[in-house]
This record gives sequence, structure tokens and C-alpha cells, in this order.
Amino acid sequence: ETGVTQTPRHLVMGMTNKKSLKCEQHLGHNAMYWYKQSAKKPLELMFVYSLEERVENNSVPSRFSPECPNSSHLFLHLHTLQPEDSALYLCASSQFTGQGAQGPNSPLHFGNGTRLTVT
Amino acid sequence: AQSVTQLGSHVSVSEGALVLLRCNYSSSVPPYLFWYVQYPNQGLQLLLKYTTGATLVKGINGFEAEFKKSETSFHLTKPSAHMSDAAEYFCAVSERSSSGSARQLTFGSGTQLTVLP
Repeated sequence: ETGVTQTPRHLVMGMTNKKSLKCEQHLGHNAMYWYKQSAKKPLELMFVYSLEERVENNSVPSRFSPECPNSSHLFLHLHTLQPEDSALYLCASSQFTGQGAQGPNSPLHFGNGTRLTVT
Repeated sequence: AQSVTQLGSHVSVSEGALVLLRCNYSSSVPPYLFWYVQYPNQGLQLLLKYTTGATLVKGINGFEAEFKKSETSFHLTKPSAHMSDAAEYFCAVSERSSSGSARQLTFGSGTQLTVLP
């Protein structure tokens, strides 16, 4: 039990499908993140929700749409994806202390990820 | 913008041998530095972190790292490798976002550690 739960663990979808990834954290944190992990590339930060403020990486395509209904739940809505979107999608959470959500006393806690394959 | 370079995408050591995983960073301000480990089919978990103070930082599972400002390095070491240490290791540096709120972690590309019997 990592404290951050992601579902599903594996997802195969066609390019015309619409699906959603879900993340739930049980740690009482107030910041949540989506990362994309592709083979042989650094982890790419996609979205951050911290104290109801959303920060996004401007290079993320609009076919990825995040939703954060409360501090414990985070979704990533997917539509008309491309094969190059196949990757491991990691959710993380941390405690925003005012020094920054990734300040010295608030490291990231990751879920086990959703392995996405786009066919 | 900050960046992280991990030298060597793959490192192999024999069981019982010294583990050395290299990390260099660039930063215009004093950084916060982290090492994360990722075991197969799992997310990342924090090994250790440097914030301020003592430059030699001890983490879980016998790992430690030393912050060397003059070399802009934060190399990860363990005196004696164990088979269970086989995993991918990520160095990361913390930076403040453009909005001034949430800090964003910049990760290196990772180093896959193989431990040979």
C-alpha cells in the first residue's frame, strides 16, 4: 500500500477511444501531480494541482485533460490519443507547505502507475 | 531552468561491491536535491534528499549521497551492493514554478542498476 492508488494498472485503447485514469491519495496531502514516464526519457511533469491552483506543462497536448475535484482525487481524461502517448503515467502527491509543494519536508509520494498502450 | 544529468544509463556491479551512481545538476539558485528509486512495476520512492546543512546525506537501505557545490554534483553511493538494490535510480532537483507557487521537480533520465551474483 503506497498511500497513492492508481487505477487501472494497465490500459489498452484505440486512437478514437475516450478513457480516464484515476488517482487517489490517502496521505492527507494538498498537492497532486501527473507525470509521464517514457522509455529512456526523463520523467515529464504534465500537471500540478496545488491549493486549487493548476500548473501545467505547456508542451502537453490538449488530448490530455486533468481534473481535480478535491485534494484526494485526480483524474486524467484521455481522448484521440496517438501511439506515441503510450507510456507509464504516474500520479504523485505531496504536502504544500508554503515553501513549495516539493519543499524540503514534502517529497513526492508516487503511485504504481498506469501502463497505457495506444493502438 | 534547472537540469539534471545522470552519467551512465546502465551500471552493473557485483554483489558486495561499491555502488556509485553519478548525478550532476545545473541551477542558478541553491538547489534541493533528491534521489528516488523505482523497482519494477512500481512508482518512484524517495531514497534521500539534500536541503541545507550537512552535505553528506544518509537515506534508506544504506544509501548516501554527498552534495558538492563546487562540482555541482550529488552522487549516490552504497558501500556494499545487495541483489535487492537492482532497480532504476533517478536524481532530481527542485525548482520554483513560474507562478511562484508549487515547486517542480526536474528529473534525470535515470540509471538502471544491475547487481551481479
